[in-house]
Amino acid sequence: SQKIEQNSEALNIQEGKTATLTCNYTNYSPAYLQWYRQDPGRGPVFLLLIRENEKEKRKERLKVTFDTTLKQSLFHITASQPADSATYLCAHNTDKLIFGTGTRLQVFP
Amino acid sequence: DSGVTQTPKHLITATGQRVTLRCSPRSGDLSVYWYQQSLDQGLQFLIQYYNGEERAKGNILERFSAQQFPDLHSELNLSSLELGDSALYFCASSLQGLSNSGNTIYFGEGSWLTVV
Repeated sequence: SQKIEQNSEALNIQEGKTATLTCNYTNYSPAYLQWYRQDPGRGPVFLLLIRENEKEKRKERLKVTFDTTLKQSLFHITASQPADSATYLCAHNTDKLIFGTGTRLQVFP
Repeated sequence: DSGVTQTPKHLITATGQRVTLRCSPRSGDLSVYWYQQSLDQGLQFLIQYYNGEERAKGNILERFSAQQFPDLHSELNLSSLELGDSALYFCASSLQGLSNSGNTIYFGEGSWLTVV
């Protein structure tokens, strides 16, 4: 079955460093991958979408890559700030949008 | 504010009861999605409607049902509630169905359901 996986362990980094989160998928080839941010008790908020024919997509301090050979997407936050602390979810869509379990990012001052 | 409105925000009910969660999508969006998020699980896709018709189904229990009305708002009905149904239920909407293009979806703030 189609699976999308994220590292369930929390990522703790120091302010100013680059945070890198990983999303792996198996048993299929999604045409798109999306990344969302979710704060505790709140609904997920869309950040970036990347298509399979795009290697990289950027938005301000955010960068997403899509490696169809490795079946992996990387999500980078450069110059991270404590306000970036949240859970980050990757999702793939075919006829429905399926989310990974998310990785919690904690940025310390 | 995503533009997706969910009511009620919080709900406490007893086992065996039935509740209805309501969702108003963003203005102009035709697709509505329902997700369940419990503490020990991620976002679980339940069901999607597009312009009043069921479009995709996920791991939705038979005790749960949903519909989308002509004005495009949607309701999720949960019956014979069990303790394990306690979760945050999200509604989301998008302009079109996901299979058409790389549409993103916009989430509401969720309805907290506690079954006691």
